[in-house]
Amino acid sequence: LAKTTQPISMDSYEGQEVNITCSHNNIATNDYITWYQQFPSQGPRFIIQGYKTKVTNEVASLFIPADRKSSTLSLPRVSLSDTAVYYCLVGAPSDSGNTPLVFGKGTRLSVIA
Amino acid sequence: NAGVMQNPRHLVRRRGQEARLRCSPVKGHSHVYWYRQLPEEGLKFMVYLQKENIIDESGMPKERFSAEFPKEGPSILRIQQVVRGDSAAYFCASSPGFLGPPGYRADSNQPQHFGDGTRLSIL
Repeated sequence: LAKTTQPISMDSYEGQEVNITCSHNNIATNDYITWYQQFPSQGPRFIIQGYKTKVTNEVASLFIPADRKSSTLSLPRVSLSDTAVYYCLVGAPSDSGNTPLVFGKGTRLSVIA
Repeated sequence: NAGVMQNPRHLVRRRGQEARLRCSPVKGHSHVYWYRQLPEEGLKFMVYLQKENIIDESGMPKERFSAEFPKEGPSILRIQQVVRGDSAAYFCASSPGFLGPPGYRADSNQPQHFGDGTRLSIL
């Protein structure tokens, strides 16, 4: 499983766009990139997943360059409630379609009023 | 939280006692995963189960820890003779599984749905 590196922490003011970049230099051909969000005293929540180029949903965008050695999670116009730990995960599906997830330490985002 | 229910939310045990953590997956999900999280750390995989089968227990200590996912009822993570080092948050996740033919590769990881964890404290 490819190792990921992301900043330990980030601060942002409300209303700003936040970009969290994750490095995964050893990503394999069939690896996907998945981001989870975790609030204190709660379990992680799936945010977004992608393989290449750009993926957008109602919560965030995920930008993946052509070489796929990094990815950037973009959160538009953050609010105080976006304060959480954000995890970048890289992994390939097993033949059954399910693979245990490998979490790093994540990025602790603090949104300031 | 996506339907995964864990109980109890908080569990206090004295050293040497047994701890039983329960996880009811999202309705219809047949795959369950247990993870452990220490303060300021990411989640660490422990065990992956399908109904009545342990698929991968590579992250679970060989002694004192066991897990099951019976045909009926919740998945249980059991810790015998607990020690202080077992204090952590234990998270359960579930996924629907993939029902393609043997050898067929899914085209993406199916996101796992997590419960809100059980916080185990050992006195």
